[in-house]
Amino acid sequence: KAGVTQTPRYLIKTRGQQVTLSCSPISGHRSVSWYQQTPGQGLQFLFEYFSETQRNKGNFPGRFSGRQFSNSRSEMNVSTLELGDSALYLCASSIGTEYEQYFGPGTRLTVT
Amino acid sequence: QKEVEQDPGPLSVPEGAIVSLNCTYSNSAFQYFMWYRQYSRKGPELLMYTYSSGNKEDGRFTAQVDKSSKYISLFIRDSQPSDSATYLCAMSPRRGSNYKLTFGKGTLLTVNP
Repeated sequence: KAGVTQTPRYLIKTRGQQVTLSCSPISGHRSVSWYQQTPGQGLQFLFEYFSETQRNKGNFPGRFSGRQFSNSRSEMNVSTLELGDSALYLCASSIGTEYEQYFGPGTRLTVT
Repeated sequence: QKEVEQDPGPLSVPEGAIVSLNCTYSNSAFQYFMWYRQYSRKGPELLMYTYSSGNKEDGRFTAQVDKSSKYISLFIRDSQPSDSATYLCAMSPRRGSNYKLTFGKGTLLTVNP
């Protein structure tokens, strides 16, 4: 069974630009969560989507948004990028139970 | 005070050693406790999970939860070079949804051959 895939794996953007990251969950998984990982703050929950609906949201500004499609694939968007948005963005999918999340390899975003 | 505290290390041990990794937390509502392993340039992978207090063993790994002390541990017996990775603890108040897992910052472990 294929794992969680994320594209692109690496991205360099300029401050003020916007970016869209993509996540394809494991087949049959309907829940997709997004996390931001930085050396200073560690892994922080961004939001979770289930059946195209945002079910939970972390404490991030409105510049961070996401969506989920009918095939469970998900995208997250960050608008008006700031230097502090440089991070590894991880996507995790699950059937629906919180402790059985499977993480993708992440997208490394660098904002210059 | 952060909700979850984890010593970042780094921790370096010889092959075959017993490794102890720990996290403390402040939120009494946490009921589900997990340990993830993250290799360099990879996403975290779930190693162990426990509910409430007690021990759970899986091969060379043992997870312990002491809710009275708000302290969780992961023990690795007969450590191998392949165990070299960052270990993250995570916890959540309830099961049934991917509700805001709270992670420690991770401990970097190196097992030397």
